[in-house]
Amino acid sequence: KQEVTQIPAALSVPEGENLVLNCSFTDSAIYNLQWFRQDPGKGLTSLLLIQSSQREQTSGRLNASLDKSSGRSTLYIAASQPGDSATYLCAVRMDSSYKLIFGSGTRLLVRP
Amino acid sequence: DTGVSQDPRHKITKRGQNVTFRCDPISEHNRLYWYRQTLGQGPEFLTYFQNEAQLEKSRLLSDRFSAERPKGSFSTLEIQRTEQGDSAMYLCASSWGGDANTIYFGEGSWLTVV
Repeated sequence: KQEVTQIPAALSVPEGENLVLNCSFTDSAIYNLQWFRQDPGKGLTSLLLIQSSQREQTSGRLNASLDKSSGRSTLYIAASQPGDSATYLCAVRMDSSYKLIFGSGTRLLVRP
Repeated sequence: DTGVSQDPRHKITKRGQNVTFRCDPISEHNRLYWYRQTLGQGPEFLTYFQNEAQLEKSRLLSDRFSAERPKGSFSTLEIQRTEQGDSAMYLCASSWGGDANTIYFGEGSWLTVV
């Protein structure tokens, strides 16, 4: 059974810092991995999608990497801003299904 | 395109009552998903439709839960005889076919069972 874990559960950093969020999964037979952002009480917004054959994806100040064999992904946020404060969730899709399996998220606070 | 729309956004109901949530996906998206999320947790998959066919269903979806997607457009999620443990946010999402499909989530429907 696939399990997705995110560390840390919460993170507080001063504005301007570069930071890394971690995601690990137990079954490497994934089809793809996505990172999402969720603001309090809101739905999810997809940030980056990495196919299993890819190593990384970049969008603006965000960079996500995938090491399928070790079951790890990282989300790197450069030059953090208060507007980046939110919960970041990673989710994997397995080869055999369209459903996403989510981690519990990392709650990020960027202090001005 | 207005995105994935969910209604109602908030629902408070008494234990034992039935509730129904509606989801309107992005037009022309053939896949529609329902997830449930409790505070401090990531969303948990409930069920998935491709067009009007319900192709996958989680064991979380007990007999009290039923979802439909008539004509492959909007979808409804009904919970019968609600229990306090059903209190959660119910998220709907949709995507278009293709391997590199981005999934789009709605704002969610909050359910509180008192």
